[in-house]
Amino acid sequence: KQEVTQIPAALSVPEGENLVLNCSFTDSAIYNLQWFRQDPGKGLTSLLLIQSSQREQTSGRLNASLDKSSGRSTLYIAASQPGDSATYLCAAPNTGNQFYFGTGTSLTVIP
Amino acid sequence: DAGITQSPRHKVTETGTPVTLRCHQTENHRYMYWYRQDPGHGLRLIHYSYGVKDTDKGEVSDGYSVSRSKTEDFLLTLESATSSQTSVYFCAILGGGNTEAFFGQGTRLTVV
Repeated sequence: KQEVTQIPAALSVPEGENLVLNCSFTDSAIYNLQWFRQDPGKGLTSLLLIQSSQREQTSGRLNASLDKSSGRSTLYIAASQPGDSATYLCAAPNTGNQFYFGTGTSLTVIP
Repeated sequence: DAGITQSPRHKVTETGTPVTLRCHQTENHRYMYWYRQDPGHGLRLIHYSYGVKDTDKGEVSDGYSVSRSKTEDFLLTLESATSSQTSVYFCAILGGGNTEAFFGQGTRLTVV
């Protein structure tokens, strides 16, 4: 079973700051790694998908990196805004396409 | 947005009663998943399906069963609901391999 860990569990930053969220996983035999955002009381929204052969993927102010050999991924958020406040989750499906999640990082961006 | 809907969105039921949650997709994706989300535990996989009539257990499958008779529908059944099954349930779909997963909006189930 894939074990996924996300650090930190919670993060509070002032608006405009750049920040990094961390995700580690135990099974490196993955197809890809996906980052999600979850707002309170809502479902998960896909943010970025990094293929196992890629090292980085960018979308707007978001940049995700993947190091399969060390079992790590990071999500970099540039120039944070209050609207970025949410819980961020990562998941790495194994070769059986089973998705396992960590407990996420709860981000608060203070205006 | 991906075409995935869950029903009902909210349900209150009594202990010992059977409950069925439905996940419907219009994307013709092969893989479908049921998760539960609880404070302090994050998202935990209950069951998943890799095709019509093909299902397998996840990490917290006890007390739950699933069925998939059509590509578009994946049903989660609590045979005899217990208070420990009070949770928010999410369905997800995946085309396979290197594609994105998409989630439904969730079903909040309360067992009293």
